[in-house]
Amino acid sequence: GAVVSQHPSWVICKSGTSVKIECRSLDFQATTMFWYRQFPKKSLMLMATSNEGSKATYEQGVEKDKFLINHASLTLSTLTVTSAHPEDSSFYICSASGPGLALRHEQFFGPGTRLTVL
Amino acid sequence: AQKITQTQPGMFVQEKEAVTLDCTYDTSDPSYGLFWYKQPSSGEMIFLIYQGSYDQQNATEGRYSLNFQKARKSANLVISASQLGDSAMYFCAMTGNQFYFGTGTSLTVIP
Repeated sequence: GAVVSQHPSWVICKSGTSVKIECRSLDFQATTMFWYRQFPKKSLMLMATSNEGSKATYEQGVEKDKFLINHASLTLSTLTVTSAHPEDSSFYICSASGPGLALRHEQFFGPGTRLTVL
Repeated sequence: AQKITQTQPGMFVQEKEAVTLDCTYDTSDPSYGLFWYKQPSSGEMIFLIYQGSYDQQNATEGRYSLNFQKARKSANLVISASQLGDSAMYFCAMTGNQFYFGTGTSLTVIP
């Protein structure tokens, strides 16, 4: 199956700093990538959808200036949490889909990044 | 409106027994897909099984099977011969304009 990686797998940072999380599709071209946030024991909450080469579409209530998403190539999308605060601490998961996967509209998930802001 | 409903926040099953995790969905689109994912404590989302709305037969993948009842809009996951490693969160999801996830069911397998 298609493989998606995320880096880093966990990060601890000080309040006020910015953190960048990378999401890569390793063996397919990801025309669309998704970023989710998950709180403990809760479901995945879609933050934004990004298509390669265009601006991301953010879900209602998600601050686009705080969560910067870049999808500059068909294999890489980045999420930057700017001026992080403790309430941004969460588990962030990316997923990717591509034209070859359109039949099932399937998304392939990265392993997630656990962010802790002190 | 919620698209996917999982009514069992937590389930327990004895090792080697079968367990059914419930999932109902709501859509007016005639073409859709239904997925089940397992999320262990490590956090990764593990794909288990897929059912397309036009598939005539219920999907099966090893110990996993999907009881697809289209008229009732339900897509229950059946895990046979439960193992201790099956303890995890399980999410039902449906394709649409986006991926719609249910709230999840926490399954605990008891030795």
